Amino acid sequence: RKEVEQDPGPFNVPEGATVAFNCTYSNSASQSFFWYRQDCRKEPKLLMSVYSSGNEDGRFTAQLNRASQYISLLIRDSKLSDSATYLCVVNKNFGNEKLTFGTGTRLTIIP
Amino acid sequence: EPEVTQTPSHQVTQMGQEVILRCVPISNHLYFYWYRQILGQKVEFLVSFYNNEISEKSEIFDDQFSVERPDGSNFTLKIRSTKLEDSAMYFCASRAGAKNIQYFGAGTRLSVL
Repeated sequence: RKEVEQDPGPFNVPEGATVAFNCTYSNSASQSFFWYRQDCRKEPKLLMSVYSSGNEDGRFTAQLNRASQYISLLIRDSKLSDSATYLCVVNKNFGNEKLTFGTGTRLTIIP
Repeated sequence: EPEVTQTPSHQVTQMGQEVILRCVPISNHLYFYWYRQILGQKVEFLVSFYNNEISEKSEIFDDQFSVERPDGSNFTLKIRSTKLEDSAMYFCASRAGAKNIQYFGAGTRLSVL
């Protein structure tokens, strides 16, 4: 089983729609969770951290289900600028150094 | 906004040559990282560095690779005797001690011919 698994997409979604991405992770000891976005041939950029209580930042909502080892990202009222690859990222614990990335889900917003 | 700076943006080298990729982490950060991303694949961890020594490395980071912090600002990745399969984007990242968030540089695209 992959350490971090995502649906690679692509997701082609009309502007203004709501889109949801899911991610599962295999290591139950994982402690920190993030969504990064990556534009074509650019660096990963932090979109948001994910907390057990769920968190929201504007149009973006992230949820974590530790029991199911499942992370989600919801984007409401999607914009053309949201077109990117969304990376689910996991860190085993606060003292562990490496980030483990999923392969990413590619999103294209259609005008 | 402070950022991680990487040079060069693109490096072309012949197979068997040595390359040094350079990074300037965010100035008050203490933890430094190298990742790579082969075209079309996921981002993979190579190595982490803290207090002037390697704290963790992946299976990819074999004897061909080395890292160094030669002064108070630079953090370098050296690849000896490059192979075709070393062609990838190499990202440097850094984080402060307080928050577990890594910030990435724009990357160096390494092309081994």
